[in-house]
Amino acid sequence: LAKTTQPISMDSYEGQEVNITCSHNNIATNDYITWYQQFPSQGPRFIIQGYKTKVTNEVASLFIPADRKSSTLSLPRVSLSDTAVYYCLVGDIENYGQNFVFGPGTRLSVLP
Amino acid sequence: ETGVTQSPTHLIKTRGQQVTLRCSSQSGHNTVSWYQQALGQGPQFIFQYYREEENGRGNFPPRFSGLQFPNYSSELNVNALELDDSALYLCASSSPTDRASDGYTFGSGTRLTVV
Repeated sequence: LAKTTQPISMDSYEGQEVNITCSHNNIATNDYITWYQQFPSQGPRFIIQGYKTKVTNEVASLFIPADRKSSTLSLPRVSLSDTAVYYCLVGDIENYGQNFVFGPGTRLSVLP
Repeated sequence: ETGVTQSPTHLIKTRGQQVTLRCSSQSGHNTVSWYQQALGQGPQFIFQYYREEENGRGNFPPRFSGLQFPNYSSELNVNALELDDSALYLCASSSPTDRASDGYTFGSGTRLTVV
């Protein structure tokens, strides 16, 4: 069961690019890396998922180095509405539930 | 396409009572997971159901039980409620074909308060 380590909190200003790094030193061969966003009193929302190299969608990019022992979520030009908790999860997506462990996440505060 | 719906949204129960929480999975999703989220912490995995069978369980006592129905909706039952069971209970659904691209879809949760 891979464990992850990410910063507890980060501050940024509107319009800046935010990069949140997650460490997962014991990632297994079949494990994917998934990021979720959560606002207060709401369920987590899927942001992006990847296995290696770089993945990009309409809201974020995910950078994964060759050794896959870390990953970086990149949020371009953040706004106040991006203030939320961001979770990095690592696990086999075929056995998602029991293997995907949420840590305390990174609390991102976007300031005006 | 509807998302994941949970009911009720809020609930207050007395210690020792029993509670049932309900979840309607997203259309086309046959896998449902339940999570408990205490204030200020990340969600903790309770158990997962796939095609009406439990196929994974976290570190929760047997008084936490569940069901999945033929339409893939699900229930979480908690017996003998304790004060520490006060939390946001989240339901998440997925399908094997969507998991790689879309992950799990979470509902907004049920806020349970045990007094």
